[in-house]
Amino acid sequence: QKEVEQDPGPLSVPEGAIVSLNCTYSNSAFQYFMWYRQYSRKGPELLMYTYSSGNKEDGRFTAQVDKSSKYISLFIRDSQPSDSATYLCAMDSGGSNYKLTFGKGTLLTVNP
Amino acid sequence: EAGVVQSPRYKIIEKKQPVAFWCNPISGHNTLYWYRQNLGQGPELLIRYENEEAVDDSQLPKDRFSAERLKGVDSTLKIQPAELGDSAVYLCASSLQGTFYGADEKLFFGSGTQLSVL
Repeated sequence: QKEVEQDPGPLSVPEGAIVSLNCTYSNSAFQYFMWYRQYSRKGPELLMYTYSSGNKEDGRFTAQVDKSSKYISLFIRDSQPSDSATYLCAMDSGGSNYKLTFGKGTLLTVNP
Repeated sequence: EAGVVQSPRYKIIEKKQPVAFWCNPISGHNTLYWYRQNLGQGPELLIRYENEEAVDDSQLPKDRFSAERLKGVDSTLKIQPAELGDSAVYLCASSLQGTFYGADEKLFFGSGTQLSVL
């Protein structure tokens, strides 16, 4: 079993839909949780960051972490065609060895 | 602000040939990372530098891969000889320090070098 599991999709939704992206993980030491967005032929860029459990909202994006279930989510409200990209979850346990563990990524297409 | 610059963007070589990738991190960033991203997968860390020192190279296949970061700025990653399984996107990233959590300490990625080994 991989440390981080993410459904690769692809996921196709109409413009304006609410999108839910999820990851599960097995390493209970993870306490830093991130979502990266990667456009085609580009490097990943940090979208959301959450420490430990809880919710974090930034505009149309909401990140949720449930450490008891080892489950994280990213919600996108009022999705736009410009949101079409691959979304990667990433996690780390902190400390001095910074080694992000990424999920496979979910390919999202928002259709106008 | 200029981002992380990588070259070349694409490279096609035959197996057993050598290949090198170059990375120029964001000015002032002390920490530099090389990641490999296979098709349909997330990036995996190959090596991490703090200034000139390679502090984590545990995932670097040392029989064929080598890296250097002279003067603590630019870095090169080399593969010799390349194998078919090395086909992937090689991403360089940098951060101000060794952390990349939160708004102030972000990990910035370059656009990567897409390597095809035939």
